[in-house]
Amino acid sequence: RKEVEQDPGPFNVPEGATVAFNCTYSNSASQSFFWYRQDCRKEPKLLMSVYSSGNEDGRFTAQLNRASQYISLLIRDSKLSDSATYLCVVNPERSQGNLIFGKGTKLSVKP
Amino acid sequence: GAVVSQHPSWVICKSGTSVKIECRSLDFQATTMFWYRQFPKQSLMLMATSNEGSKATYEQGVEKDKFLINHASLTLSTLTVTSAHPEDSSFYICSAREQGWDEKLFFGSGTQLSVL
Repeated sequence: RKEVEQDPGPFNVPEGATVAFNCTYSNSASQSFFWYRQDCRKEPKLLMSVYSSGNEDGRFTAQLNRASQYISLLIRDSKLSDSATYLCVVNPERSQGNLIFGKGTKLSVKP
Repeated sequence: GAVVSQHPSWVICKSGTSVKIECRSLDFQATTMFWYRQFPKQSLMLMATSNEGSKATYEQGVEKDKFLINHASLTLSTLTVTSAHPEDSSFYICSAREQGWDEKLFFGSGTQLSVL
């Protein structure tokens, strides 16, 4: 089983749509979780951290289910500028600061 | 916010040559820097962890004699791809961790290496 697994997509949605991404991780001892955004041939940029209680930042909502080892990202009212690849990222217990990246889910928002 | 500068952005070189990529933390001290490689449509794969003043720790399958890493100061780490071959063509990204911030990573803008 891959350490961090994501649906690669692509997700093609119209502007204004709500889209959800899922991610699973294999290491039950993982300590912290993040969603990053990466544009083509650019560096990843931190979108938000993910907490067990769930957290929201504007149109973005992240959820963590430790029992199921499952992370989600919900984007409401999609904008054209949301088009990018979204990376699920896990910080495993065994190596502080060594983040494990999923392959990413590609989102394309169309007018 | 903290900035990591990575240079060059693009490199095209002939097979057999060596290429050096620099990663600088501009406004903070980075005790640890990470080097990643990303092939098209693949995830970022950690190549090595670079600690200032000590030898880098390489991930399994990464040849330390081919990918030379030097972290001589708290603001600079370099990755040298020695005797590059076409299969080394990839997107290389560095990241730096600020002292005291165990999980907060700042990424360089990446280097696209094309070996002919």
